[in-house]
Amino acid sequence: AQSVTQPDIHITVSEGASLELRCNYSYGATPYLFWYVQSPGQGLQLLLKYFSGDTLVQGIKGFEAEFKRSQSSFNLRKPSVHWSDAAEYFCAVGADSSASKIIFGSGTRLSIRP
Amino acid sequence: DGGITQSPKYLFRKEGQNVTLSCEQNLNHDAMYWYRQDPGQGLRLIYYSQIVNDFQKGDIAEGYSVSREKKESFPLTVTSAQKNPTAFYLCASSLSEGAGETQYFGPGTRLLVL
Repeated sequence: AQSVTQPDIHITVSEGASLELRCNYSYGATPYLFWYVQSPGQGLQLLLKYFSGDTLVQGIKGFEAEFKRSQSSFNLRKPSVHWSDAAEYFCAVGADSSASKIIFGSGTRLSIRP
Repeated sequence: DGGITQSPKYLFRKEGQNVTLSCEQNLNHDAMYWYRQDPGQGLRLIYYSQIVNDFQKGDIAEGYSVSREKKESFPLTVTSAQKNPTAFYLCASSLSEGAGETQYFGPGTRLLVL
């Protein structure tokens, strides 16, 4: 069965520092992979998605993610974080076996140190 | 502007009362979804609809009901049978139902019990 794991519940980084949020998935074939961001009290906004092709995907707000099949990972990165990046980040995998056709990870909360 | 609207932003429910959360989209999407979000638990699917006049139960449908009489509208009723309704409710839509489809989210409704 498909699944998504975000091993870090909470991460704190300094403003201007680089960021990497981890995501591991379980899926038999080439997966559809997504990263969403949720600001406090708001809905989820799509940052980027991977379907096929180039394994390095560029998204909005300066984020990128790299699909690594050998490691079953889809980590999200940003070279220099801004205070406005503080939010909850969700990795997700498209899953035909799921009623909603998408399985979300449990999220990683990002805090920014001034 | 195309998007998904949810109302109200905050909703208070008294014991034994049914309340209805509104979700409207003008994206011309066929599929719509309702999720419940509790702290530390990610998103859980309540109901989904692939097409007008059709809907299916998700993982936690007990105590909830929905209707899909119009393509753009997918209201969720939280009934008195739902004993722990306090949560953040998110509505989403996608162009069609499928593992590769991107889901777009509304801003959410926070339900509180008086």
